[in-house]
Amino acid sequence: DIVMTQSPDSLAVSLGERATINCKSSQSVLYSSNNKNYLAWYQQKPGQPPKLLIYWASTRESGVPDRFRGSASGTDFTLTISSLQAEDVAVYFCQQYYGIPHTFGQGTRLEFK
Amino acid sequence: QVQLVESGGGLVKPGGSLRLSCAASGFNFNDYYMTWIRQAPGKGLEWVSHISSKGTTIFYADSVKGRFTISRDNAKNLVSLQMNSLKAEDTAVYYCAREALGYDFWGQGTLVTVSS
Repeated sequence: DIVMTQSPDSLAVSLGERATINCKSSQSVLYSSNNKNYLAWYQQKPGQPPKLLIYWASTRESGVPDRFRGSASGTDFTLTISSLQAEDVAVYFCQQYYGIPHTFGQGTRLEFK
Repeated sequence: QVQLVESGGGLVKPGGSLRLSCAASGFNFNDYYMTWIRQAPGKGLEWVSHISSKGTTIFYADSVKGRFTISRDNAKNLVSLQMNSLKAEDTAVYYCAREALGYDFWGQGTLVTVSS
């Protein structure tokens, strides 16, 4: 199985400041035939199902604010929230959909400082 | 609009069985893989099983292989998860999700509690 490891486990950021969440896969999730990383990011608020934010490591899902940005470098992936808003407090998960099982990172809890 | 509605959760004793269902609407169900993902209380997300659009390709997580069976009825827009030989560690909210580029739509989940 591909292991997804997120860091940090929790993060406290001030309103309007930048938040950065990291995710590392234990092996490449890059599909050579289309040069796409099979990596998604989700946001989960209490009592709600996860919401897809980013797919292909860096493509925002329709309706997701542009303050959310995904990037990739090899097996290292980053979700950046450029200017934290109140509604961004949540748990964030990365997930690879390259290999079965489609494994998730353990989650990063984002809070206000 | 796309809707996924799970049902069938509840309290069951260890060794017991439950059948979860997910009713889909608002999209062409026949075109999509469907997946079950679970989340134990206060924990992270665990991929459980998925089934291809025609039901010909099925995979399971090792933790449920041999105990859970996924199926779909494309005429009824329904995906199901038959769970047998349930264990305490199967206690979780079970979500069904539409598989596209990642999982783009999720149901609200149904809680399964395995306890004596």
